[in-house]
Amino acid sequence: KAGVTQTPRYLIKTRGQQVTLSCSPISGHRSVSWYQQTPGQGLQFLFEYFSETQRNKGNFPGRFSGRQFSNSRSEMNVSTLELGDSALYLCASSELTGRDQYFGPGTRLLVL
Amino acid sequence: DAKTTQPNSMESNEEEPVHLPCNHSTISGTDYIHWYRQLPSQGPEYVIHGLTSNVNNRMASLAIAEDRKSSTLILHRATLRDAAVYYCILRDGLNFGNEKLTFGTGTRLTIIP
Repeated sequence: KAGVTQTPRYLIKTRGQQVTLSCSPISGHRSVSWYQQTPGQGLQFLFEYFSETQRNKGNFPGRFSGRQFSNSRSEMNVSTLELGDSALYLCASSELTGRDQYFGPGTRLLVL
Repeated sequence: DAKTTQPNSMESNEEEPVHLPCNHSTISGTDYIHWYRQLPSQGPEYVIHGLTSNVNNRMASLAIAEDRKSSTLILHRATLRDAAVYYCILRDGLNFGNEKLTFGTGTRLTIIP
């Protein structure tokens, strides 16, 4: 099976712009979670989608949003970018067995 | 979420066993202990998990204290490829629908050739 794929891998934006990141889960996985990783805050949970519904949300402002499509692919959007949004954004998919989640390589976002 | 405590960093010589400790004194009876690791420039990857009994898989072993307030991830023969940040995470077994992983700061393992 192909692993979790994320596009783009690298992105440079300027403050005030918006950005959309994409995640394709492992075939058959219906749950997709998003995480932000920064040197200062570590890995933080953003949100989780299952069957096109957001089931869980982390403690991030409303500028961070996401959605999931019927084929389980997911996108996350960050509007009005701030310098502090520079981070590695990771996507993980799972089969909801409560066991393991599979992470993609991440999208590294730099906001100038 | 119940919290875990890990040392910030550890070093080990190549081809020797490594014991990575994790304290979770507030663990509840339904919490599973999961370990993930993050290799440089990669996303985290699942290593192993357990509830009460010790567990073994092809990557590692997990030793769980009898009172479950601590656990140890054991890499039997460390290689340079095992250099990574190792995260110990608790997941509520009654809430398998909750896929949220709460990562701590983890232990940065350095392998000395």
